[in-house]
Amino acid sequence: EDQVTQSPEALRLQEGESSSLNCSYTVSGLRGLFWYRQDPGKGPEFLFTLYSAGEEKEKERLKATLTKKESFLHITAPKPEDSATYLCAVYSGGSNYKLTFGKGTLLTVNP
Amino acid sequence: GAGVSQTPSNKVTEKGKYVELRCDPISGHTALYWYRQSLGQGPEFLIYFQGTGAADDSGLPNDRFFAVRPEGSVSTLKIQRTERGDSAVYLCASSFNSANEQFFGPGTRLTVL
Repeated sequence: EDQVTQSPEALRLQEGESSSLNCSYTVSGLRGLFWYRQDPGKGPEFLFTLYSAGEEKEKERLKATLTKKESFLHITAPKPEDSATYLCAVYSGGSNYKLTFGKGTLLTVNP
Repeated sequence: GAGVSQTPSNKVTEKGKYVELRCDPISGHTALYWYRQSLGQGPEFLIYFQGTGAADDSGLPNDRFFAVRPEGSVSTLKIQRTERGDSAVYLCASSFNSANEQFFGPGTRLTVL
């Protein structure tokens, strides 16, 4: 069974203070790792897909990286509007194409 | 373009009642998924449709839950004899084809009193 563990559960940063969120996974064979952002009361918003170890993707202040056991979401010089819950999910190639999610990291960026 | 839409946004019902939750996927997306999200948890898979058929319903918790997608577009999740433990946010997602990233709707918050 696929497992995803995200850490920390919550992270509080000052505006401009860079940091990283971690997503550790256990799957039989990774076919894709996904990062989503979720604001309170809203559905998850797609950010990135990573497919193979060594791959990196960037979007504004966010950069996602992937190794064989974990993924990191690096946040550079965050702003208060980056405050949200960040969810990591994996797809291991099952015929139902379901995503297995972690519990998320609640990021708060203070001005 | 329009994203995934879900109605209602909130539903309050009494224990034992029947509810229907609707999902309108992104136009042209053939794959549709239902997930359930409890407070403080990530979304959990319920059911996956490819076209009109339920390709995998292994995540449905029991036979009180049922979903349809009769014309390969709009989907309805149906819950019979609701229980307090069914209270959660029900999320719908769609993707262009099954292997692509999934785009989520805003969810329906179901509260069973």
